[in-house]
Amino acid sequence: DAGVTQSPTHLIKTRGQQVTLRCSPKSGHDTVSWYQQALGQGPQFIFQYYEEEERQRGNFPDRFSGHQFPNYSSELNVNALLLGDSALYLCASSFTPGLADEQYFGPGTRLTVT
Amino acid sequence: QQQVKQSPQSLIVQKGGISIINCAYENTAFDYFPWYQQFPGKGPALLIAIRPDVSEKKEGRFTISFNKSAKQFSLHIMDSQPGDSATYFCAASKSGGATNKLIFGTGTLLAVQP
Repeated sequence: DAGVTQSPTHLIKTRGQQVTLRCSPKSGHDTVSWYQQALGQGPQFIFQYYEEEERQRGNFPDRFSGHQFPNYSSELNVNALLLGDSALYLCASSFTPGLADEQYFGPGTRLTVT
Repeated sequence: QQQVKQSPQSLIVQKGGISIINCAYENTAFDYFPWYQQFPGKGPALLIAIRPDVSEKKEGRFTISFNKSAKQFSLHIMDSQPGDSATYFCAASKSGGATNKLIFGTGTLLAVQP
């Protein structure tokens, strides 16, 4: 049973560029959440996708956007990259909100903005 | 502001000793409290979780103690091993809503000395 997978593993971008990160949820899960983890900090909630819709957004600007596909996989897009966007981006998958609370994280994508 | 406060920031324990990490939360609507273990360069791994209807939950060497009136919960690692050396995060969420976003503590870096 494959767990949560994310790609790419590492990414280096320049300020002002755009980036797309990808996530495939654990088998049987239909909900994907994205978190940003700065160095030495706990993960911060960006948003959650369920039924191909953004259900809730954390305190992140509109430069951060996402998408969920019919197969439940998801993308995180960040436009106009800033140096402060450098972080580990984590995807977590879970069952439908309200049915189960366990969230399982992928290995993350390390984004470096120079 | 929904917050989860975690302490200590770092912890050094001798092999075979007990590691104790504490967390406190503010929002009484939280009803799911997981602990995650994270190794360098990896995503957080769900370790153990508890709900407010029980005061203690044990899984192997890991125990969560929960004090609803004090709005505090703690992780106890019995017989700590060098392989337990990692960063531990507590988190909290509210089930039954549109999402089950996790609010994380700031993390505790545990070092178990052989």
